[in-house]
Amino acid sequence: GAGVSQSPSNKVTEKGKDVELRCDPISGHTALYWYRQSLGQGLEFLIYFQGNSAPDKSGLPSDRFSAERTGGSVSTLTIQRTQQEDSAVYLCASSPWINEQFFGPGTRLTVL
Amino acid sequence: QKEVEQNSGPLSVPEGAIASLNCTYSDRGSQSFFWYRQYSGKSPELIMSIYSNGDKEDGRFTAQLNKASQYVSLLIRDSQPSDSATYLCAAHSNSGGSNYKLTFGKGTLLTVNP
Repeated sequence: GAGVSQSPSNKVTEKGKDVELRCDPISGHTALYWYRQSLGQGLEFLIYFQGNSAPDKSGLPSDRFSAERTGGSVSTLTIQRTQQEDSAVYLCASSPWINEQFFGPGTRLTVL
Repeated sequence: QKEVEQNSGPLSVPEGAIASLNCTYSDRGSQSFFWYRQYSGKSPELIMSIYSNGDKEDGRFTAQLNKASQYVSLLIRDSQPSDSATYLCAAHSNSGGSNYKLTFGKGTLLTVNP
């Protein structure tokens, strides 16, 4: 079956611009996670969605970061006024409930 | 603070040997454990899950769990150059208010030399 998909695969933007990253989870998976991975670093948890419950935003690094999940499916991560330190790979994962997470291919964001 | 610790490596083994990857975790409430493989420039791929003490085998991979020692390992038999990747250990705990999160280690880089 189809796995987690993310778009775009690569995004190059100028400092100060806003970007939107999209994630399509595996059909039927109720849980969705966003992570950030900087070069050579581990996974940094950003945000978690579960069904219609309020999301856990505790990992968002600043108020420039926000995320939505519409209809319990597709999610969009928005970064406003991008900074060079935002450059990283942004990974989305989905899970049928909790436990096992399945990752998408990621979006590589480069802020010039 | 829940932590998962891994030796960053690199761990270098010759082709055909057994590669042994180790992981310790701090939260005794952790119940489920996962190994992910991440090739350079790619996203993590789930390769093994283990929930009970003992060994779980899947092909060339064996996961081992010892909850008393808070220790998880992954053995790769007959290592191949295609196994060269970073291996991430992750733990899930049912305790605490954020029981939906996985705690990831920083990964061990494995290199299998032909």
